[in-house]
Amino acid sequence: EVQLVETGGGLVQPGRSLKLSCVASGFTFNNYWMSWTRQAPGKGLEWVASITNSGGSTYYPDSVKGRFTISRDNAQNTLYLQMNSLRSEDTATYYCTRARGFAYWGQGTLVTVSS
Amino acid sequence: DVVLTQTPSILSATIGQSVSISCRSSQSLLDSDGNTYLYWFLQRPGQSPQRLIYLVSNLGSGVPNRFSGSGSGTDFTLKISGVEAEDLGVYYCMQATHAPWTFGGGTKLELK
Repeated sequence: EVQLVETGGGLVQPGRSLKLSCVASGFTFNNYWMSWTRQAPGKGLEWVASITNSGGSTYYPDSVKGRFTISRDNAQNTLYLQMNSLRSEDTATYYCTRARGFAYWGQGTLVTVSS
Repeated sequence: DVVLTQTPSILSATIGQSVSISCRSSQSLLDSDGNTYLYWFLQRPGQSPQRLIYLVSNLGSGVPNRFSGSGSGTDFTLKISGVEAEDLGVYYCMQATHAPWTFGGGTKLELK
């Protein structure tokens, strides 16, 4: 059974950093691209970052480019999202997803950016 | 960026009724590899999104066959043939052909 379990969310002040983790199981992790998608409270879905299966290439929308970094450790079956210079508009539930098919999503981890 | 426009934003239906949701793209979603990376998701209240349809018309694993997807280029449709109570929630289309990948604004399916 495929499982994606996100951790690392919490309350953080504007301008500070936070690192999310997603542990994957039930499939061959290094065969798949992976992504992060977020959802602000009461709002729609927004793609945040993707990484190729080898980790050699990464992709971001302009809203987080230069502030967020996606990475992976294929030996540990773990996906990461390093979030720097956080803003109030980054407040959201962050989901780890197996890309490009998006068949599997984690339960999400809530990040709240507030002073 | 590709803009996906979903209509309607709210859909009221009775159990057993057939309904359709439209997703229109600001540009063609046909990729140079021949695939059209258009997906449909359902998010039930308090849950993570669930993929229903991938590559326009392919039914996801375990998804009931009352769901179907169609379309090409810039116009896509999700149809539910006989709404059931478990289908209530918010439906999203998404494209992964053009970076940045983008989602539609969502369609809330509620009981009439």
